[in-house]
Amino acid sequence: DAMVIQNPRYQVTQFGKPVTLSCSQTLNHNVMYWYQQKSSQAPKLLFHYYDKDFNNEADTPDNFQSRRPNTSFCFLDIRSPGLGDAAMYLCATSPTGISGNEQFFGPGTRLTVL
Amino acid sequence: SQQGEEDPQALSIQEGENATMNCSYKTSINNLQWYRQNSGRGLVHLILIRSNEREKHSGRLRVTLDTSKKSSSLLITASRAADTASYFCATDNQAGTALIFGKGTTLSVSS
Repeated sequence: DAMVIQNPRYQVTQFGKPVTLSCSQTLNHNVMYWYQQKSSQAPKLLFHYYDKDFNNEADTPDNFQSRRPNTSFCFLDIRSPGLGDAAMYLCATSPTGISGNEQFFGPGTRLTVL
Repeated sequence: SQQGEEDPQALSIQEGENATMNCSYKTSINNLQWYRQNSGRGLVHLILIRSNEREKHSGRLRVTLDTSKKSSSLLITASRAADTASYFCATDNQAGTALIFGKGTTLSVSS
């Protein structure tokens, strides 16, 4: 089945220790998104790729970076995780970035920062 | 900035009852989407309603849109325990390139 896969599902890191979360998709969608979702809150868009074009949200901290080496994979790098970065990180895809497209989500990676 | 606001924040009902969730938004939209999120999981798309539509059905789901009031509602009829989840409305950002999610309604259906 075509899907969005996130690894790992659970990630524990230490304060200040860089961490990378990965997302892959078999849907061949052009757009890939990274959201941060803290407990009982709405998913908050961090950035998205339209093909290879990177689009950063204005309020996304510099501590968060992303890479998309090819259509199928996208990575979220947190350079120096703080306690406030503990959250669920959701990857999503969309066929195109235009209005009205459904987004397809992965199961998420829950990040714990010790 | 947040676009949608769901109401109520939490809703508890018995199996078989109907559940209604509301979403209000601030700026004009081309369409509005509803998503469901089971605890600790990703979001699943439920339904999309366009600005020129007033009502849309999908199985036990009914979505209405009132653009004059900038609001939408999601009705789940004959609810089941499996409907227990958080429900989010989402609208496009200004550029139309990404979604902005509301805070969500947490629905609990007990058997």
